[in-house]
Amino acid sequence: EAGVAQSPRYKIIEKRQSVAFWCNPISGHATLYWYQQILGQGPKLLIQFQNNGVVDDSQLPKDRFSAERLKGVDSTLKIQPAKLEDSAVYLCASSSAGTEFQHFGDGTRLSIL
Amino acid sequence: AQSVAQPEDQVNVAEGNPLTVKCTYSVSGNPYLFWYVQYPNRGLQFLLKYITGDNLVKGSYGFEAEFNKSQTSFHLKKPSALVSDSALYFCAVSALSTDKLIFGTGTRLQVFP
Repeated sequence: EAGVAQSPRYKIIEKRQSVAFWCNPISGHATLYWYQQILGQGPKLLIQFQNNGVVDDSQLPKDRFSAERLKGVDSTLKIQPAKLEDSAVYLCASSSAGTEFQHFGDGTRLSIL
Repeated sequence: AQSVAQPEDQVNVAEGNPLTVKCTYSVSGNPYLFWYVQYPNRGLQFLLKYITGDNLVKGSYGFEAEFNKSQTSFHLKKPSALVSDSALYFCAVSALSTDKLIFGTGTRLQVFP
């Protein structure tokens, strides 16, 4: 089966600019996750979708981050405006009901200048 | 609150020798425990999981992990290390009632020829 697809792989922007990331989960996977992985740390969950509804967004900085999954398939994560501390790898993962582990994409590496 | 500790930033081992990467956890109730591996510029790949049953769990690429409830540990092991095992390893935990993963900070495994 095709894996979780993410784009772009790399993005460089200046602080205060906006940026968007895209994720296409594995076909049929109802649950989609966005993680932030700062260098030297483990991934931290930003938001979890079940189909097109939000299950958990408790660690999403809602003043600048937003995410949507309008048709319950692919998803976008947006940052506006970006801050220096947002430099990280943004990972998307998906899982199907009853699956006890998550499949990860290769991530988008964001650098803020 | 759930938490995971990986006490070693880096583990060095000679090829052919056994390896152990340590993980301890804290969670209310019965834990779901996972190991993931991350190669450079790639997403996380699932290695193995403990949900219930035998304390010794076998996973991908010859890795195994031992669940120890009294010590709240879930150490990753391999009898004979390969140079190709060199990567970043993450331990993760989730509570029984949710699939939100909490990751440790990661341990870099370096296997020398």
